[in-house]
Amino acid sequence: EAQVTQNPRYLITVTGKKLTVTCSQNMNHEYMSWYRQDPGLGLRQIYYSMNVEVTDKGDVPEGYKVSRKEKRNFPLILESPSPNQTSLYFCASSRADESSYNSPLHFGNGTRLTVT
Amino acid sequence: KNQVEQSPQSLIILEGKNCTLQCNYTVSPFSNLRWYKQDTGRGPVSLTIMTFSENTKSNGRYTATLDADTKQSSLHITASQLSDSASYICVVSLYNTDKLIFGTGTRLQVFP
Repeated sequence: EAQVTQNPRYLITVTGKKLTVTCSQNMNHEYMSWYRQDPGLGLRQIYYSMNVEVTDKGDVPEGYKVSRKEKRNFPLILESPSPNQTSLYFCASSRADESSYNSPLHFGNGTRLTVT
Repeated sequence: KNQVEQSPQSLIILEGKNCTLQCNYTVSPFSNLRWYKQDTGRGPVSLTIMTFSENTKSNGRYTATLDADTKQSSLHITASQLSDSASYICVVSLYNTDKLIFGTGTRLQVFP
């Protein structure tokens, strides 16, 4: 089954304790991206990657890191989490070839992070 | 400023009724407009994608329309079902970029 898998689904942590949220897709997609979703705000892009070893900042990258060492994986790293990073996080992937501007994003089921 | 605005913010309807959700955008240059359905606790799922030249597209009981001149789109749901209860998100893609502009969504609740 084609899917984007995020882990964990729920995470509670304390300020300053480094954490990683994993994301993996099995569709051989070039494009992967991380978003956060907060009440009253639309999905906001944190980082994205067009292919292996290629990453770029989105709209709200501060406090986050990513890496793309393999095509299928795109982990999100919070080196020193703070309470304002409490949010619902989504990973997504899609094709990224010349004909793919109309390709839909495939989303994972989210990671709800609470930083106390 | 590139923006996507959706209305209403929330909507309650009875099962079996039709409804229409609205999306207005000021995104330029425009590439395509997407509607996603997001069930509570799940990731968004694509319903339709429309390019500049398309003014209507259907996916089962969901029909999206696009007026590129007025920069408006609507999502019409026919004969609603309880499973249609979800948030519906309008997303506009910037031409020749990877940039997507997300609306804040309309929360639809369908009651029996």
